[in-house]
Amino acid sequence: KNEVEQSPQNLTAQEGEFITINCSYSVGISALHWLQQHPGGGIVSLFMLSSGKKKHGRLIATINIQEKHSSLHITASHPRDSAVYICAVKGSGPSNYQLIWGAGTKLIIKP
Amino acid sequence: DGGITQSPKYLFRKEGQNVTLSCEQNLNHDAMYWYRQDPGQGLRLIYYSQIVNDFQKGDIAEGYSVSREKKESFPLTVTSAQKNPTAFYLCASSISYATYEQYFGPGTRLTVT
Repeated sequence: KNEVEQSPQNLTAQEGEFITINCSYSVGISALHWLQQHPGGGIVSLFMLSSGKKKHGRLIATINIQEKHSSLHITASHPRDSAVYICAVKGSGPSNYQLIWGAGTKLIIKP
Repeated sequence: DGGITQSPKYLFRKEGQNVTLSCEQNLNHDAMYWYRQDPGQGLRLIYYSQIVNDFQKGDIAEGYSVSREKKESFPLTVTSAQKNPTAFYLCASSISYATYEQYFGPGTRLTVT
């Protein structure tokens, strides 16, 4: 079983819909990272969080440390949001600097 | 503009040939990383470098080699010993190895036939 699991693997929705992508992990973490990978392949950072909730524009990320779960929400989705969304966690512990990556959720927003 | 460049974007090679992928950064970052991405899988760490003239194996280093002679550059060589070299390769850097946030290059898609 992977240490970081994302669901769903694929998601297709209509423009304007509220989108939720989930990330569950099985290890102790010090932080969780949401990233976006566009069809061309480049990866950009969206959020880093270790507790609570963060918001940037139409994107909202939440994390529940006790339940080892994070969600990424997109409000008023738009075709330009179509991308692969990746969750990565940094393990807890002073020597555990490497990131553990989820497989990604491919999101397609239809106009 | 600061950033990470990878070249070329697409690379085609015949089986049995070594090939070197370029990664350059002008962010003055100490740490650099090479990842491999295959369809339906998370990124897997090939090699990383915490500082110039130092590098360490990641989870899937077999069949790959790197060098870090300059702070700005971290080239990856895919050798003929790599059994399944066709993949998308991503280079990243961070201020230090202990720093969480990594910045990514645009990637190189390698196809070996």
